[in-house]
Amino acid sequence: DAKTTQPPSMDCAEGRAANLPCNHSTISGNEYVYWYRQIHSQGPQYIIHGLKNNETNEMASLIITEDRKSSTLILPHATLRDTAVYYCIVRLGSGNTGKLIFGQGTTLQVKP
Amino acid sequence: GAVVSQHPSWVICKSGTSVKIECRSLDFQATTMFWYRQFPKQSLMLMATSNEGSKATYEQGVEKDKFLINHASLTLSTLTVTSAHPEDSSFYICSARASGRTGANVLTFGAGSRLTVL
Repeated sequence: DAKTTQPPSMDCAEGRAANLPCNHSTISGNEYVYWYRQIHSQGPQYIIHGLKNNETNEMASLIITEDRKSSTLILPHATLRDTAVYYCIVRLGSGNTGKLIFGQGTTLQVKP
Repeated sequence: GAVVSQHPSWVICKSGTSVKIECRSLDFQATTMFWYRQFPKQSLMLMATSNEGSKATYEQGVEKDKFLINHASLTLSTLTVTSAHPEDSSFYICSARASGRTGANVLTFGAGSRLTVL
């Protein structure tokens, strides 16, 4: 699986957009980019995933560069409840074991 | 949406005893479930892949005789920490992928079970 690199921590002001970067320069053509987050002392929560195109859902937007070597998760209007560790994971799609390997992630602190 | 339930959410036990943690998929069937553990201020570490009706697949360095996994049905996997010791104190989290789902590997995670061994 492709390795990902994320900044260890970021701050964001409440109400502003939070942009979390992820580098995955060794990603292969059939690997997806997944984002999960973990709020303190809870299980991880799925946010969004994408293959090539940008994606948006009710939680966030995922912007993937044209060469697919990096991506950005955007929380459009961060709230205090968005304070969490955000994990960017690159993994194959269907037809494999399905296991996800977590890196260290980015700790996002949303401040009032 | 898919929901995964873990029980108990926290447990305290004496050293040398065994503890069982249950992971249930509430509204979908899961042929495969995954067990993770997480120490304070660290990331999740995959322990094993639990397969319905067959033996679990353990990650390198995880003792299969210490962490017994049973996946007897499409909605239930259990993790038993045998002869627990204080170093086994951790946050244990399970996850599941719905059977028959195609496309990307989206896993649903339980809320976790915090084990404290005295």
